[in-house]
Amino acid sequence: EVQLVESGGGLVQPGGSLRLSCAASGFTFSSYWMTWVRQAPGKGLGWVANIKEDESEKYYVDSVKGRFTISRDNAKNSLYLQMNSLRAEDTAVYYCARAAFWTFDYWGQGTLVTVSS
Amino acid sequence: QSALTQPPSASGSPGQSVTISCTGTSSDVGAYNFVSWFQQHPGKAPKLMIYEVNKRPSGVPDRFSGSKSGNTASLTVSGLQAEDEADYYCSSYAGSNNYVFGTGTKVTVL
Repeated sequence: EVQLVESGGGLVQPGGSLRLSCAASGFTFSSYWMTWVRQAPGKGLGWVANIKEDESEKYYVDSVKGRFTISRDNAKNSLYLQMNSLRAEDTAVYYCARAAFWTFDYWGQGTLVTVSS
Repeated sequence: QSALTQPPSASGSPGQSVTISCTGTSSDVGAYNFVSWFQQHPGKAPKLMIYEVNKRPSGVPDRFSGSKSGNTASLTVSGLQAEDEADYYCSSYAGSNNYVFGTGTKVTVL
């Protein structure tokens, strides 16, 4: 059974940093692109970033370029999102998802990031 | 990238059908047959219901179907059931390894 479990969310002040993690199991992690998607409270979904199987390609939504870094450790079956210079508008539930067939076929339960002073 | 446009709400009685539209541009929905639909119940993670416009993942009832014409994709839920009441989001590949989601539609089963 495919499982994705996010962790690392919490309350952080504007300008601060946070590192999210996503532990994957139930599939060959190193064979899939992976993605982060976020959802602000009461709002819709928004694609954040994705990463190729071997980390050779990484892509970001314009609003997080230069502030967020997606990475992975295939030996640990883990996906990460380093978030720096956080802003109030980054407040959201962050989901990791497996990318396949030009979509996102499995999702974690999400971790809440709150940026507030 | 601008979000794809969906109606805020849709509704139908049990057993009826409801269709949700998802309007993008010639750079996303119109350019690629990589439109997906996700179902999200309150407080839960999204669940993939349709991918590549009209394909259903294993386990998704055939009551759910997708289509596309030009820059607009659609999701139809036939034979509405109480458990279909949820938020639905479309998404599309938008080129250069970017993706865009729709604004979301709340489906109510009357």
